[in-house]
Amino acid sequence: EVQLLESGGGLVQTGGSLRLSCAASGFTFSIYAMRWVRQAPGKGLEWVSAISGSGFSTDYADSVKGRFTISRDNSKNTLYLQMNSLTVEDTAVYYCAKDRQPGTTFPYGMDVWGQGTTVTVSS
Amino acid sequence: QSALTQPPSASGSPGQSVTISCTGTSSDVGAYNYVFWYQQHPGKAPKLMIYEVNKRPSGVPDRFSGSKSGSTASLTVSGLQAEDEADYYCSSYAGSNNLLFGGGTKLTVL
Repeated sequence: EVQLLESGGGLVQTGGSLRLSCAASGFTFSIYAMRWVRQAPGKGLEWVSAISGSGFSTDYADSVKGRFTISRDNSKNTLYLQMNSLTVEDTAVYYCAKDRQPGTTFPYGMDVWGQGTTVTVSS
Repeated sequence: QSALTQPPSASGSPGQSVTISCTGTSSDVGAYNYVFWYQQHPGKAPKLMIYEVNKRPSGVPDRFSGSKSGSTASLTVSGLQAEDEADYYCSSYAGSNNLLFGGGTKLTVL
């Protein structure tokens, strides 16, 4: 069964850091681009970041550029999101998602999603 | 870049058809045939319903269809069923590997 399982969310103060993980199983992790998408409480979806299957190519939304870093360890089938200089606007459920077809960070649609992990930033 | 524009709500009775619009610009929806639709039930992760404007992933009922005209994309749900009640989000490629989402539409089955 294809599955994504996020972890690492929690409560952190403004200016703090947090590292999210996403464990993948049931598919050849290393050939698919992966993404982080977040959803603030009661709000819509927002794309955060993407990384190619090899890990060599990364993209970020302007709202997180310079503060967040996406990475992956293909030997562990795990995706990461290092979040620094957190603000209250970063409070959200963070989902990891798999791209529908192998390739670069070009968006082909996200066909598998994790259950999400909640990040709360307090002032 | 701004989010895509969706109506906050839509509704229909069982068996009817409902269409949800998603308006972008000539830099995103109007420029690329990479428009996606996601369904999200309360407390659940989103599910891909439509990709590349009008293609359905395996397992998605053919009651769901997508289209695009200019800078506006649309999702039509035909033969509404109770389980279709959910939030629906459109998404579009916006160049430079950037991905935009709409604000979401809450679909109510009356």
